[in-house]
Amino acid sequence: TQLLEQSPQFLSIQEGENLTVYCNSSSVFSSLQWYRQEPGEGPVLLVTVVTGGEVKKLKRLTFQFGDARKDSSLHITAAQPGDTGLYLCAGAFSNGNKLVFGAGTILRVKS
Amino acid sequence: GAVVSQHPSWVICKSGTSVKIECRSLDFQATTMFWYRQFPKQSLMLMATSNEGSKATYEQGVEKDKFLINHASLTLSTLTVTSAHPEDSSFYICSASSQNTDTQYFGPGTRLTVL
Repeated sequence: TQLLEQSPQFLSIQEGENLTVYCNSSSVFSSLQWYRQEPGEGPVLLVTVVTGGEVKKLKRLTFQFGDARKDSSLHITAAQPGDTGLYLCAGAFSNGNKLVFGAGTILRVKS
Repeated sequence: GAVVSQHPSWVICKSGTSVKIECRSLDFQATTMFWYRQFPKQSLMLMATSNEGSKATYEQGVEKDKFLINHASLTLSTLTVTSAHPEDSSFYICSASSQNTDTQYFGPGTRLTVL
């Protein structure tokens, strides 16, 4: 059973389009991280959200943590080819330090 | 800050040999390090969690005698794949976190190919 459902699994869009990636769970997380990974490299941390309802912005990327801390979304505005990569959400529980990862979203932005 | 390095970045070995992969936190003390395995276009699969100075905790299905983990200091953890076989070929990634934080910082990964 996947504790953190991530969707969509694949996304191929044109440059300039907007997109949203979702991560949902029935579990409450103490925090949730978003990572971006390029082929042959390790995941790079984009953001950590901690407070329910929190919204963080990183240039064209907007991250939101659900009020109940069970879900999160990543919205990219005016996607660029450089945004291409594997996006991973990962949730942490308050009683441990392991992360639960979503299945990942492969994003391809075509120019 | 929060830089994690891995060495080697790639390794090719013969079946039956052992391979050691190093993971270092360069600018912070990593009380906990994690080792993951990743298959192409898939998410990360946690293999084990190691805390400095204590034995690693392995995930279900991961052979502790095959994947030896040592976390001897607050900046270094090693993963040794013993008697490697072609099915062990994969992308191995480590991560590190400091005390009282959930955030993990990942190394660049090691591509292991066993012939």
